[in-house]
Amino acid sequence: DTAVSQTPKYLVTQMGNDKSIKCEQNLGHDTMYWYKQDSKKFLKIMFSYNNKELIINETVPNRFSPKSPDKAHLNLHINSLELGDSAVYFCASSQDLYEQYFGPGTRLTVT
Amino acid sequence: ELKVEQNPLFLSMQEGKNYTIYCNYSTTSDRLYWYRQDPGKSLESLFVLLSNGAVKQEGRLMASLDTKARLSTLHITAAVHDLSATYFCAVDNNNDMRFGAGTRLTVKP
Repeated sequence: DTAVSQTPKYLVTQMGNDKSIKCEQNLGHDTMYWYKQDSKKFLKIMFSYNNKELIINETVPNRFSPKSPDKAHLNLHINSLELGDSAVYFCASSQDLYEQYFGPGTRLTVT
Repeated sequence: ELKVEQNPLFLSMQEGKNYTIYCNYSTTSDRLYWYRQDPGKSLESLFVLLSNGAVKQEGRLMASLDTKARLSTLHITAAVHDLSATYFCAVDNNNDMRFGAGTRLTVKP
């Protein structure tokens, strides 16, 4: 069984569109995260959710919004997509201070 | 602001050789993580280091943490081709996780 899953795996869209990426974890973890990995492989944390409460919000444009319907899901909504949003987005989860388990990633391409 | 620096960023090794990757960070933290990423793949956890002096080993990899020096090392012993990947360290400071830029390791026969 997949521990952390993301859909879709690939997403190609035009500038100005709104899109969502879904993430689900079946590990029973209480914290979930979204990361952006750019073309140079640099990883930047975007959000983390602990028990449905946002506890980190980096300097991310407000076009990005995380939504957590329950402890097992953390979806990422992106409005008015821009070229610079093209990247690989990873969802992850963890329990307390232990290691994070990453999803397979979603490669977003904005044209 | 927490900064995490890894070096080297690129490392080409011969099989059978030893080498160390360094991870320095700028603020007090006693939680440090090492991850591996293969090309086009996700990240896989290697080690979790939660206290000063912590040392963990798995196969040919050994990680250590010195919180006073704000330094972690990832030592590779007798490298093999399968270790070729990008290795990231990450530091947690009050739930603010920062990653180093990654070390791209290539092990040549």
